[in-house]
Amino acid sequence: AQSVSQHNHHVILSEAASLELGCNYSYGGTVNLFWYVQYPGQHLQLLLKYFSGDPLVKGIKGFEAEFIKSKFSFNLRKPSVQWSDTAEYFCAVRVNTGFQKLVFGTGTRLLVSP
Amino acid sequence: KAGVTQTPRYLIKTRGQQVTLSCSPISGHRSVSWYQQTPGQGLQFLFEYFSETQRNKGNFPGRFSGRQFSNSRSEMNVSTLELGDSALYLCASSLELAVGKNEQFFGPGTRLTVL
Repeated sequence: AQSVSQHNHHVILSEAASLELGCNYSYGGTVNLFWYVQYPGQHLQLLLKYFSGDPLVKGIKGFEAEFIKSKFSFNLRKPSVQWSDTAEYFCAVRVNTGFQKLVFGTGTRLLVSP
Repeated sequence: KAGVTQTPRYLIKTRGQQVTLSCSPISGHRSVSWYQQTPGQGLQFLFEYFSETQRNKGNFPGRFSGRQFSNSRSEMNVSTLELGDSALYLCASSLELAVGKNEQFFGPGTRLTVL
């Protein structure tokens, strides 16, 4: 069965620190990749997506992610986090691009201290 | 443009009862998917609908069912509720412009508590 692994369940950073959240998936075919964010009390919002082409994708709020096909990875990065980035981050993979079904990772809770 | 709306936002039921949750997709979106979010299992796919047809289903018991109407609105139903059905149920819609180029927009969810 397809699975998505997020290595860090909880991350605590100080403001201005750099962020990298890991995401690995287990599927050898063509995939679509996503990072979603869930701010406290809010619904899931799309941060960025990868469909094809340039493996380095840029999203909203200064986030970016790199797709490394050989490593089955799609890590999320931000050079300098802010207190407002405190949220839960989910990596998701679509393994059948003809459908909408997403397989989600377990999420990473990020706490940014001011 | 209004986002995905879900009603009700909160629901309390007792074991054995049934419940119906509603989702209105973003205007023009024809695809609706449902997910269950729990602290233990995370986000799990329930099913997806396109043009009133269920075209994909997750690994949930038959107590979980859904449907989509001609206006793309969707409902999901859970019968014979169990304590473990307590969760946040999320609906997501997609425009489906092209295969492999679609993103899903999520609603705020319905928080179901089973006592």
